[in-house]
Amino acid sequence: QSALTQPPSVSGSPGQSVTISCTGTSSDVGSYNRVSWYQQPPGTAPKLMIYEVSNRPSGVPERFSGSKSDNTASLTISGLQAEDEADYYCSSYTTSSTWVFGGGTKLTVL
Amino acid sequence: EVQLLNSGGGLVQPGGSLRLSCAASGFTFSSYAMIWVRQAPGKGLEWVSGVSGSGDSAYYADSVKDRFTISRDNSKNTLYLQLNSLRAEDTAVYYCAKNSGSHHKYYFDYWGQGTPVTVSS
Repeated sequence: QSALTQPPSVSGSPGQSVTISCTGTSSDVGSYNRVSWYQQPPGTAPKLMIYEVSNRPSGVPERFSGSKSDNTASLTISGLQAEDEADYYCSSYTTSSTWVFGGGTKLTVL
Repeated sequence: EVQLLNSGGGLVQPGGSLRLSCAASGFTFSSYAMIWVRQAPGKGLEWVSGVSGSGDSAYYADSVKDRFTISRDNSKNTLYLQLNSLRAEDTAVYYCAKNSGSHHKYYFDYWGQGTPVTVSS
């Protein structure tokens, strides 16, 4: 199972919006709405930010939103804040009954 | 409050074995599937294995199949990962995580703090 494809890095200034893409195949992202996004600041465990494509867990700011089109999912962070600087990973359930993660995207807040 | 406490990591020689544990609290352990995810130094996350809430069904990544075994003891609220025939490329921080449902097809809503495994002679 190949990793989902994410851009290695994105950046934005405070207050701006950034979008991180996550491209898979018809065997994972394209088959299910079981795409989730995780935030991982350096040296810490991942934290769930978005589940089932576009749902936010309690406590996650509304600035974080998710979407999906065909084999590509996206995470958008609007009104960037310094505290958003972290690595972000997408993940998807697959038709092989396994999970696959993206390679990760480092978000830099300028 | 959901808590997942990882333990059992350490330094092991190639070909050796190790058993990782994940002690859970704050939820009805047997009602939720659990998974293991690892992260090699400086690398991304890799799903390793998952087990259903009852323990009847287990799933593995191809990279660890036939070498790693996931299990759980619902009477002790503890998840395990037995690592055998370890290789240098298994060096990583291993995280346990809780699925949001009884089947491992559900997303992961809580994570442990991770335990490091180093495979080296």
